[in-house]
Amino acid sequence: NAGVTQTPKFQVLKTGQSMTLQCAQDMNHNSMYWYRQDPGMGLRLIYYSASEGTTDKGEVPNGYNVSRLNKREFSLRLESAAPSQTSVYFCASSEEPASTDTQYFGPGTRLTVL
Amino acid sequence: AQTVTQSQPEMSVQEAETVTLSCTYDTSESDYYLFWYKQPPSRQMILVIRQEAYKQQNATENRFSVNFQKAAKSFSLKISDSQLGDAAMYFCAPTGAGSYQLTFGKGTKLSVIP
Repeated sequence: NAGVTQTPKFQVLKTGQSMTLQCAQDMNHNSMYWYRQDPGMGLRLIYYSASEGTTDKGEVPNGYNVSRLNKREFSLRLESAAPSQTSVYFCASSEEPASTDTQYFGPGTRLTVL
Repeated sequence: AQTVTQSQPEMSVQEAETVTLSCTYDTSESDYYLFWYKQPPSRQMILVIRQEAYKQQNATENRFSVNFQKAAKSFSLKISDSQLGDAAMYFCAPTGAGSYQLTFGKGTKLSVIP
């Protein structure tokens, strides 16, 4: 039981490049989330997917797109990376809404945009 | 919408002693939940404890307990018999009932001194 896995663990991009962060969970959870964590800050929600086939914006969605590929997988895409997107990105999942259930987090992806 | 303040950026505690981390919040929700999450050096976020605002009784989870003062909008975390493995960043996070969005504070870095 791997829980929540993320790939890659580290990535360096140049400004304007695109990339997709992958996330998968093996707990059969309904809900999945993408967060970013900047130095000295808590996590901020980028997008979430309440259930398969739905996605919604969080607090900081600009510059990102997401895809809930199936119940297991939820990807985050940066179409044209900017230095302001340098951050650590976390994927999470939960069975029920985050307010009433434990979120399980992945190990994070450290992204640097030059 | 919620706002969260963790007024102690860093704290330290002697091993086996007790420490209390503070959190105050503001919310427009009438029904909400409060969480403490822990982020050890490995970066992976882990749920420590959850409190349902409508419950009078303070939540307890082994050595971790909360002091929830609803009128004061205060939600502090007490760690008893501190262990080296408790060293981590601790984040307070309130959310409205049924919500998918947690609002994380900036965190308190806890060091445990052997």
